[in-house]
Amino acid sequence: QVQLVESGGGVVQPGRSLRLSCVASGFTFSSYGMHWVRQAPGMGLEWVAVISYDGSDKYFADSVKGRFTLSRDNSNNTLYLQMSSLRPEDTAVYYCAKDRVKGARDQYNMDVWGKGTTVSVSS
Amino acid sequence: SYELTQPPSVSVSPGQTARITCSGEPLPKRYAFWYQQKSGQAPVLVIYEDGKRPSGIPERFSGSTSGTMATLTISGAQVEDEGDYYCYSTESSGYHRGVFGGGTSLTVL
Repeated sequence: QVQLVESGGGVVQPGRSLRLSCVASGFTFSSYGMHWVRQAPGMGLEWVAVISYDGSDKYFADSVKGRFTLSRDNSNNTLYLQMSSLRPEDTAVYYCAKDRVKGARDQYNMDVWGKGTTVSVSS
Repeated sequence: SYELTQPPSVSVSPGQTARITCSGEPLPKRYAFWYQQKSGQAPVLVIYEDGKRPSGIPERFSGSTSGTMATLTISGAQVEDEGDYYCYSTESSGYHRGVFGGGTSLTVL
């Protein structure tokens, strides 16, 4: 079955960087776009970013654009989120999610989610 | 960027019909999706492309759209349906940014 396992979360000081990873299994990783979605404590879901199946297209929420970068290693079924210039408001559980449509380049949406990894930005 | 607006909470008795709305300007042009999140768990897709139900989702879950509003309907809501529900869609500007509604807390009691 499809499985997504996030890692890399932790406590980090404001202004510092952190890289999250998501290892996928149970599907052809190289055929699907992948998302990051976050949820601050007690708050709703916030879509963060998506990368197309081949890594050629990337889109970001305004709140992270210019600070976060996305990449993927299709040979190792791994998705990465590089977070820089972190702020206290980036504190959240970060979920990795698989896109629902094989080969999608429009109307990206999620069908399977990981359990999340927690990032806390605090001095 | 645009917003999707949901009511903060909806409450029904078991067996009643629960309706959760989501309004947003791009919805006539973009699909709506619905996710259920129970306390302490990751979200689960319950409706995709406005009104389609993934395998394994009970038939009591349905979705529809009309103009700028999407609606998730749970016919004969059960206690186990309690949780937070989020609508989701994407921008139509060509920059394929996703957006969630603020979420609706469903109480069934």
